[in-house]
Amino acid sequence: SAVISQKPSRDICQRGTSLTIQCQVDSQVTMMFWYRQQPGQSLTLIATANQGSEATYESGFVIDKFPISRPNLTFSTLTVSNMSPEDSSIYLCSATLRRGATEAFFGQGTRLTVV
Amino acid sequence: QQPVQSPQAVILREGEDAVINCSSSKALYSVHWYRQKHGEAPVFLMILLKGGEQKGHEKISASFNEKKQQSSLYLTASQLSYSGTYFCGTRGSSNTGKLIFGQGTTLQVKP
Repeated sequence: SAVISQKPSRDICQRGTSLTIQCQVDSQVTMMFWYRQQPGQSLTLIATANQGSEATYESGFVIDKFPISRPNLTFSTLTVSNMSPEDSSIYLCSATLRRGATEAFFGQGTRLTVV
Repeated sequence: QQPVQSPQAVILREGEDAVINCSSSKALYSVHWYRQKHGEAPVFLMILLKGGEQKGHEKISASFNEKKQQSSLYLTASQLSYSGTYFCGTRGSSNTGKLIFGQGTTLQVKP
């Protein structure tokens, strides 16, 4: 199994600023992902964080708005840039130990409020 | 493409049964079920692979109909602790680790 820690757990930010969310996994994982979940809604995949290379973004998400880094097998960051109130959401880090039919582990999430 | 879950919400009394369905328009490699309680991270329940298998986990079980690209989650003799939002997540191939989640089904179990 894997335990995922996210920091910060919550933040209130001014519009126009940026916030970087950190995700640390307690074991080496093959794949890491970032999701967004608006209150009462489903989990929407933002991107796959690739070690040592550019992240793979899903439709509707771009690198300029959500730059992602993954320098090693256990750590990733997501930055929410030039924030607006529409970015208020919960951001979740997820990881799988290997490809294929394996469970995904989730961090507790970062609750972001943009004012 | 996002899988479709039904129903959107269920209200049960303790001891009653429920079925939650998850359908996809695309061929699936696996279906994953998670439960999320308010303010918490999603918790893994089970994975089903193509091949039409059925799995059980105490009083919670699931099936996967590969021909219909549909999975069903069965909750029997529900307990108060079953309350939460249930999500199905789908993978289209064995090479991808990413999950695409359905819109969720909110289950409320009352005493």
